[in-house]
Amino acid sequence: DGGITQSPKYLFRKEGQNVTLSCEQNLNHDAMYWYRQDPGQGLRLIYYSQIVNDFQKGDIAEGYSVSREKKESFPLTVTSAQKNPTAFYLCASRPRRSPYEQYFGPGTRLTVT
Amino acid sequence: DQQVKQNSPSLSVQEGRISILNCDYTNSMFDYFLWYKKYPAEGPTFLISISSIKDKNEDGRFTVFLNKSAKHLSLHIVPSQPGDSAVYFCAASPGAGSYQLTFGKGTKLSVIP
Repeated sequence: DGGITQSPKYLFRKEGQNVTLSCEQNLNHDAMYWYRQDPGQGLRLIYYSQIVNDFQKGDIAEGYSVSREKKESFPLTVTSAQKNPTAFYLCASRPRRSPYEQYFGPGTRLTVT
Repeated sequence: DQQVKQNSPSLSVQEGRISILNCDYTNSMFDYFLWYKKYPAEGPTFLISISSIKDKNEDGRFTVFLNKSAKHLSLHIVPSQPGDSAVYFCAASPGAGSYQLTFGKGTKLSVIP
């Protein structure tokens, strides 16, 4: 059945290492998003992509990079330049028929020590 | 500057009673509003939405009210059930051309059996 998958559920990295978080969807949605959630905070937009091979920075893009080579996939790389990378990362996609509703994946908890 | 505010970090309600979650916004360009429900370590799920041309939208036990002049919306859950215990996020969008969502920080609802 259709949905958004994020893997892995938990990820641990040493400081100074780049890490890539996976996001795949089989919902045939055009737009995809990456958010970050910190304790007591709302979801903050990192990057989004409306179509393949195109993406835009969100509110907190510094220290992150993305690619959108396929419609189904929108990986997020957390680089060593991100000062506080430990967080819960959420990927979402949006259908054309319901332009406001975003569907979220289960999230990846990244811990950097 | 927080454009979507949920001023109550937490709320406790007895089972069977009404839960009222509040949300205020500052950006007058927002014209579509959504509520999401989130369990720990999971992605948010869409609950209910309302367009700025309406002042009320109802779906089963959930009703959202919008007061545009006050830039305020609220989510009513009647009757509240223990399974409603979760974090509720209010989100807003400026609409056509963007469809980006700006989220509040969330309100943690605890429904006490």
